[in-house]
Amino acid sequence: KAGVTQTPRYLIKTRGQQVTLSCSPISGHRSVSWYQQTPGQGLQFLFEYFSETQRNKGNFPGRFSGRQFSNSRSEMNVSTLELGDSALYLCASSLLVGGETDTQYFGPGTRLTVL
Amino acid sequence: GNSVTQMEGPVTLSEEAFLTINCTYTATGYPSLFWYVQYPGEGLQLLLKATKADDKGSNKGFEATYRKETTSFHLEKGSVQVSDSAVYFCALRGKAAGNKLTFGGGTRVLVKP
Repeated sequence: KAGVTQTPRYLIKTRGQQVTLSCSPISGHRSVSWYQQTPGQGLQFLFEYFSETQRNKGNFPGRFSGRQFSNSRSEMNVSTLELGDSALYLCASSLLVGGETDTQYFGPGTRLTVL
Repeated sequence: GNSVTQMEGPVTLSEEAFLTINCTYTATGYPSLFWYVQYPGEGLQLLLKATKADDKGSNKGFEATYRKETTSFHLEKGSVQVSDSAVYFCALRGKAAGNKLTFGGGTRVLVKP
């Protein structure tokens, strides 16, 4: 079974631009979560989607948004990029939401560099 | 709110040495606890997990026991290999948090031959 895939793997943007990142979950998984990883702040939760609905949201400004499609694929968008948005963005998928035996599987991430 | 504290690295060991990475947490109720590992240039891989007090998670020679009384979930391995060099993250998932994981800061482990 294919794992979680994220595209693109690397991205370079300039301040003020916007960017869209894509995540394809493991087949059959309906929950997708996004995390931002930086050296200074570590791993921080962005948001979680299940069946096309946002179920949970972290403490990020409104410039960060996401959505999930009917095939469970998810995108996240960052508008008006700032230098501090440079990070590794990780996507994780799981079968359900919050199940005690549920496991989240992470993709390789998208490395975003903002110049 | 929920939080996870783990020992800062880097931790440098010789092959076959014993590894311990301390992890303590703050959470209401009984969260599920996890250890994830990140190899260079890759995403996170689940190493092991425990969902209730006194559970022991184990995988690939690594073990961790959910200690409610000390709010801890320390990771141990009896004999490390060079291939265990990676960054290790302790994480928790609250019962009412859906799939949201709260991570510790990560501990870099370097195993020398």
